[in-house]
Amino acid sequence: AQSVTQLDSHVSVSEGTPVLLRCNYSSSYSPSLFWYVQHPNKGLQLLLKYTSAATLVKGINGFEAEFKKSETSFHLTKPSAHMSDAAEYFCVVARSGGSYIPTFGRGTSLIVHP
Amino acid sequence: DVKVTQSSRYLVKRTGEKVFLECVQDMDHENMFWYRQDPGLGLRLIYFSYDVKMKEKGDIPEGYSVSREKKERFSLILESASTNQTSMYLCASSRLRPSGGAPYNEQFFGPGTRLTVL
Repeated sequence: AQSVTQLDSHVSVSEGTPVLLRCNYSSSYSPSLFWYVQHPNKGLQLLLKYTSAATLVKGINGFEAEFKKSETSFHLTKPSAHMSDAAEYFCVVARSGGSYIPTFGRGTSLIVHP
Repeated sequence: DVKVTQSSRYLVKRTGEKVFLECVQDMDHENMFWYRQDPGLGLRLIYFSYDVKMKEKGDIPEGYSVSREKKERFSLILESASTNQTSMYLCASSRLRPSGGAPYNEQFFGPGTRLTVL
């Protein structure tokens, strides 16, 4: 069994300030973890993924996430927000290896103020 | 580049109509998925398929069926559309197992079809 909780439905930041989007997961298996981004009226795009290699994962557009097994967390961060980062972000957990069905969080809407 | 295409971006249908949503991927992926996306609920899995003619129910299969006659094409069918099926529908595909360093387990999404049932 697996589940994922995105702790904030909305996060509001000013341009140039740090971004933190929080994600906690549970999984009976060794998990693969993903963050996807969805800009308005677009499909989802992979930001980054953790698949049991390095615990600090770097993604596109300056985002990174750290896998913390002891805290069952995979929070997404960016040092400095840009207006173009405004979007919906989804945390996803899946079983590593073999056939799998990923489980999506409910999403966090990132709002960036000028 | 992996490409997942969906037959329509916007669709308006009437209650009781039979609706077909088509999805095609060009990367020879084994897995294909249909999700619906509603505000505050994230993505919910309707059906997925891991091979031709194979299908598995997801979390919300009621009122939907699927067809996968060819590896690259996965169709979602609303047998008798209802207003509560008004939603954004997203198709995705992924590789089932590692192959030559290609992305594995990562899903690739189409642009979505916004369906309105009147």
